[in-house]
Amino acid sequence: AQSVAQPEDQVNVAEGNPLTVKCTYSVSGNPYLFWYVQYPNRGLQFLLKYITGDNLVKGSYGFEAEFNKSQTSFHLKKPSALVSDSALYFCAVTPGAAGNKLTFGGGTRVLVKP
Amino acid sequence: GAGVSQSPSNKVTEKGKDVELRCDPISGHTALYWYRQSLGQGLEFLIYFQGNSAPDKSGLPSDRFSAERTGGSVSTLTIQRTQQEDSAVYLCASSPAGWGTEAFFGQGTRLTVV
Repeated sequence: AQSVAQPEDQVNVAEGNPLTVKCTYSVSGNPYLFWYVQYPNRGLQFLLKYITGDNLVKGSYGFEAEFNKSQTSFHLKKPSALVSDSALYFCAVTPGAAGNKLTFGGGTRVLVKP
Repeated sequence: GAGVSQSPSNKVTEKGKDVELRCDPISGHTALYWYRQSLGQGLEFLIYFQGNSAPDKSGLPSDRFSAERTGGSVSTLTIQRTQQEDSAVYLCASSPAGWGTEAFFGQGTRLTVV
């Protein structure tokens, strides 16, 4: 069975500081990994994904994520956080070519303070 | 339509009543997912349809929950004899054919059982 863990329920960061949201996964084979963001009272929006190739992937709003196969991690990063980045972030995984079932982590709430 | 459409957006029902939640996926998307989100928390997987394959129902919490997808398009999630613990936001998502494609989410149906 596939699973995703987001070990931090909440991350607090000052505006302008680097932001990291952690994600680890467990899946058979080669995973496809995703990050989604949910702003207050809005639906989930896709941020970025890793399928294959370069381990560092870049996405929307200046976010990037690094795939680390040995550590089974896919941490989300942003070099300089904005107050508007305050939201709920979800990591998700599918089992690559074995199927498209999308499994989510529990989510991490990010609070960026001015 | 341009995106995934869910109806109704809000539903208040009395305990013990049956409810039907509707999802209109993006045209041509072969995969359709239902998730449940309680109080801005994580996403709980309910059911997954992929093309003409048998659906993955492994996330349905009880036999009061069922879902169908007619003609490979519209899906209905039915909850029979609703209970207060069923209160949550029910999210639908769809994705195109092919591995590693991101899912697009609807705005959700907020279900309140009183």
